[in-house]
Amino acid sequence: SQQGEEDPQALSIQEGENATMNCSYKTSINNLQWYRQNSGRGLVHLILIRSNEREKHSGRLRVTLDTSKKSSSLLITASRAADTASYFCATAMNRDDKIIFGKGTRLHILP
Amino acid sequence: KAGVTQTPRYLIKTRGQQVTLSCSPISGHRSVSWYQQTPGQGLQFLFEYFSETQRNKGNFPGRFSGRQFSNSRSEMNVSTLELGDSALYLCASSLQADHQYFGPGTRLTVL
Repeated sequence: SQQGEEDPQALSIQEGENATMNCSYKTSINNLQWYRQNSGRGLVHLILIRSNEREKHSGRLRVTLDTSKKSSSLLITASRAADTASYFCATAMNRDDKIIFGKGTRLHILP
Repeated sequence: KAGVTQTPRYLIKTRGQQVTLSCSPISGHRSVSWYQQTPGQGLQFLFEYFSETQRNKGNFPGRFSGRQFSNSRSEMNVSTLELGDSALYLCASSLQADHQYFGPGTRLTVL
């Protein structure tokens, strides 16, 4: 069963614009992670935010976490063609618990 | 360091057969997780092995099994293949249970 649900399912924006994806989850978590997947290949870890953190940055990525609303958002600023991919949120209830992925948001950057 | 490797990359089997997939984690990583990815169900967690012991398990039938060797390499086996087992099988290794490093996957087609 999915723990996280990404929204929207698909997103198309112009190159240079910002892209925002949201993730909602159902139970309390230890941490939430975002991953990127290009064309059915393996996933690449982007960023991890722990339950006691509210915001985290990594390059052009900004992740927020609202544990009261059980939601997270991933913002990609100044998008590039290479950002075209599927983005997944993943949660773990406890530190060594299994990591459960959402169904992902397909992001398409238009030239 | 070499990344996570999975063999074979592509596989075609017929219904009723069994298949074994292999995963070699990043050197030093003791945790190996397996996922099944399909267009309809997304990324589904199969199981996780840590130091040769199954630490977490997803909701898959007993036809799906795995093991981990003393060198942390892992195999997963699917017996009595069904058409619905056609999927991309992803393996991920991690040093700690949070940041996972994914392999390129094995594309299994069941005819």
